[in-house]
Amino acid sequence: DSGVTQTPKHLITATGQRVTLRCSPRSGDLSVYWYQQSLDQGLQFLIQYYNGEERAKGNILERFSAQQFPDLHSELNLSSLELGDSALYFCASSLSDSPLHFGNGTRLTVT
Amino acid sequence: TQLLEQSPQFLSIQEGENLTVYCNSSSVFSSLQWYRQEPGEGPVLLVTVVTGGEVKKLKRLTFQFGDARKDSSLHITAAQPGDTGLYLCARNTDKLIFGTGTRLQVFP
Repeated sequence: DSGVTQTPKHLITATGQRVTLRCSPRSGDLSVYWYQQSLDQGLQFLIQYYNGEERAKGNILERFSAQQFPDLHSELNLSSLELGDSALYFCASSLSDSPLHFGNGTRLTVT
Repeated sequence: TQLLEQSPQFLSIQEGENLTVYCNSSSVFSSLQWYRQEPGEGPVLLVTVVTGGEVKKLKRLTFQFGDARKDSSLHITAAQPGDTGLYLCARNTDKLIFGTGTRLQVFP
C-alpha cells in the first residue's frame, strides 16, 4: 500500500461530459503529480502541485484542469470528454523531490 | 515526445531464464529511476541510479547506469512468474518523465 488514495477506481461516462478525479496523497507529502496512461502513449506527465501551488506542467490539455487544496488533496477535472480521453489516470505524491509514490489509478472509460 | 526509449517493448520468457531490458536517451541524465508496474496498480520504485557506471543489485535484479549517463539496463537472473509486469525507466528533470516501458511476461 503506497498510502496514496485515488477515487473512484472506475468511471464510465459519455462524450461531452465532465468528471472529477480525486487524490489523497501520503501523509506528510506536499507534492502531488497527475499522470495519464494509455495503451499507445505510455505514462504521460500532466501536472504537478506543491503545497497548493502549480509547480510543473506537462502535456495537459486545455480541457483538463487540476488543483491542490489546503488539506493537500488534489482533484483533476476533465471536461468535454472525448473517446481518446479513455485511459488510466494516476496520482502520485512525494515529499519535495524524493521518489514518487503512486496510487492505484482511476480507469476512465468514455463511451 | 518520449525522451526515453526502452527495449524490447515486449518480452515473454519461461521461468528460470535470464533477461535484460534497456533504457536509452540522447540526453545525459543526472539520475535515473526504475519502476515496476503490476496489473491494476500504480508503478512502484525499484531503484535510483545516480553515478555513471554505477551498478546496484536488488536480489535477482541488477541495474546498471551507463558511464556516459545516457543509458541504463536492468538484468533479471532466473526470472520468476512474480517478476511479470511493466518495467519503466524514468528521468527527473523538473518533472519525472517515463520511458516507453517493457512489458515482461514470465511463464511457469
